[in-house]
Amino acid sequence: DIQLTQSPSSLSASIGDRVTITCRASQGISNYLAWYQQKPGKVPKLLIYAASTLQSGVPSRFSGSGSGTDFTLTISSLQAEDVATYYCQKSGFTFGPGTKVEIK
Amino acid sequence: EVQLLESGGGMVQPGGSLRLSCAASGYTFSRSAMSWVRQAPGKGLEWVSSISGSGGSTYYADSVKGRFTNSRDNSKNTLYLQMNSLRAEDTAVYFCVKQLSLVGDYWGQGIRVTVSP
Repeated sequence: DIQLTQSPSSLSASIGDRVTITCRASQGISNYLAWYQQKPGKVPKLLIYAASTLQSGVPSRFSGSGSGTDFTLTISSLQAEDVATYYCQKSGFTFGPGTKVEIK
Repeated sequence: EVQLLESGGGMVQPGGSLRLSCAASGYTFSRSAMSWVRQAPGKGLEWVSSISGSGGSTYYADSVKGRFTNSRDNSKNTLYLQMNSLRAEDTAVYFCVKQLSLVGDYWGQGIRVTVSP
């Protein structure tokens, strides 16, 4: 089975900082990767699918890249409302363990 | 507007059974694959099971294979998860998720399942 790892497991950054989260698959998954945002006490929300396609309505400060085994989610300018845990998912199946993003 | 409403959760003893339902509205239910995803208290997301739009194909995580059955009734726009031989580690909030090209574009609010003596 394909396993996903994420790094870091948590991070603290200042408003306006560029934030990068990495997701690594145990074997190649082409571009079958999605990213979700889960704010505290809320339902997960789809941010990006097919590794780099922004879901409708998601702010453009979010972007995704990668293919094969290595993927990144980037927040170009961190905002207070971005405090959340971010999960990668091999499309339709396994989730990564999550990365918790906090404001410094 | 897409709506997914889970029901059927609650508390059950180890070894017991529960059936979750998810009533869908606001889109053509039969055209979308559906999934169940769970989240144990304070933990991350865990994919549980997926089912194709017709119901003809189902997929399960190893942790639930042989114990859980994912099914759907397209005439009733409803998704089901029959959970048997429940264990303490099945305690979680269970989300019903609409799939669009293998990603979850709409999520229900979740239903709590507690397995405890």
